[in-house]
Amino acid sequence: GQQVMQIPQYQHVQEGEDFTTYCNSSTTLSNIQWYKQRPGGHPVFLIQLVKSGEVKKQKRLTFQFGEAKKNSSLHITATQTTDVGTYFCARGWGSNYQLIWGAGTKLIIKP
Amino acid sequence: EAQVTQNPRYLITVTGKKLTVTCSQNMNHEYMSWYRQDPGLGLRQIYYSMNVEVTDKGDVPEGYKVSRKEKRNFPLILESPSPNQTSLYFCASSLNPGHNEQFFGPGTRLTVL
Repeated sequence: GQQVMQIPQYQHVQEGEDFTTYCNSSTTLSNIQWYKQRPGGHPVFLIQLVKSGEVKKQKRLTFQFGEAKKNSSLHITATQTTDVGTYFCARGWGSNYQLIWGAGTKLIIKP
Repeated sequence: EAQVTQNPRYLITVTGKKLTVTCSQNMNHEYMSWYRQDPGLGLRQIYYSMNVEVTDKGDVPEGYKVSRKEKRNFPLILESPSPNQTSLYFCASSLNPGHNEQFFGPGTRLTVL
């Protein structure tokens, strides 16, 4: 019930192509957070979405929260080598406000 | 500089030898948490703490202990490590985890032989 499914597990793109990762839940999300983890690094917070239908942008990154608050996406336009890493979504859950994490999508730039 | 520190960063040990991984944050955060990260499984929460002397189990608490005697420190204790606890461990802190960003430590790579 509280799990979040994140797809795809991997995405290989040529530099300059776009990248999208999706996060889906069977239950309504109170909020969704997105994190980036560079290879060998630790997760770093990118953004939090709270409102139905919310769209936020950070330079080439666009974050969306579905109208029904059951899904979210992260889209990167014109990927660069600095975008390489794994992108995680995480939902708030329970009275203690734990975070439940998606399995992550690894962005790989083809040589 | 606001940060979460963990020590050690790397550790190789043998089955059954007790170990402690330390975690400290300097942001006066009430909430702290331990995760383990394994390939294909994302981040799984081991234990968390809402405040001093308040700890609770996460999704995978078996084989681990924690304590929160001071606000800034949240050590992870493996009383009798086993090879299935070989993993990458992250400590994190936040004001309130479900509504505020979590700040992560650099990670501790543990190998249990």
